Amino acid sequence: GNSVTQMEGPVTLSEEAFLTINCTYTATGYPSLFWYVQYPGEGLQLLLKATKADDKGSNKGFEATYRKETTSFHLEKGSVQVSDSAVYFCALTGGALIFGKGTTLSVSS
Amino acid sequence: EPEVTQTPSHQVTQMGQEVILRCVPISNHLYFYWYRQILGQKVEFLVSFYNNEISEKSEIFDDQFSVERPDGSNFTLKIRSTKLEDSAMYFCASRAGIQAFFGQGTRLTVV
Repeated sequence: GNSVTQMEGPVTLSEEAFLTINCTYTATGYPSLFWYVQYPGEGLQLLLKATKADDKGSNKGFEATYRKETTSFHLEKGSVQVSDSAVYFCALTGGALIFGKGTTLSVSS
Repeated sequence: EPEVTQTPSHQVTQMGQEVILRCVPISNHLYFYWYRQILGQKVEFLVSFYNNEISEKSEIFDDQFSVERPDGSNFTLKIRSTKLEDSAMYFCASRAGIQAFFGQGTRLTVV
């Protein structure tokens, strides 16, 4: 079945550091890929998405590229801010959304 | 901006009691979902609903769970006899196209 594997957290960074959160997937067919973010005490918000191979999703300085050859969708940001502290979930869909376990990011000033 | 709304935001119930969690999806959406997130753990798929029937469900969604769309706007999740391990955040989601929109969640505490 479909599954998503994310790097274990927590990830702790200083402000303006470079961020990478790894995500790989297993799926039949050609799923769409997503990153969702969950700020403390809130629900899930879509951060970015990509619907086909080589698509790059981007939003709020975050980027991720759909790599079919490596079945990956790594999240990157060039310079993180304290306000980026949250839990980040990689997800895929070929029907229901299937989430990874989530990676907690903590950014300090 | 349209949004998915869930009520209540927090529910405390005694073990063995029935609970109904309510969701109002975005009005023109056709696909509806329930997910749960046990504290500090991953977001787990429970069930998807399309065209007035369950289209997919996970192993978690056993006979204790049921979903209903009683009218044109609400989408409910019922747990018949709650257990301690049902304590979690329950998220409703809906979609029309690729993107799913999530509600703010209902925190269910079973005591």
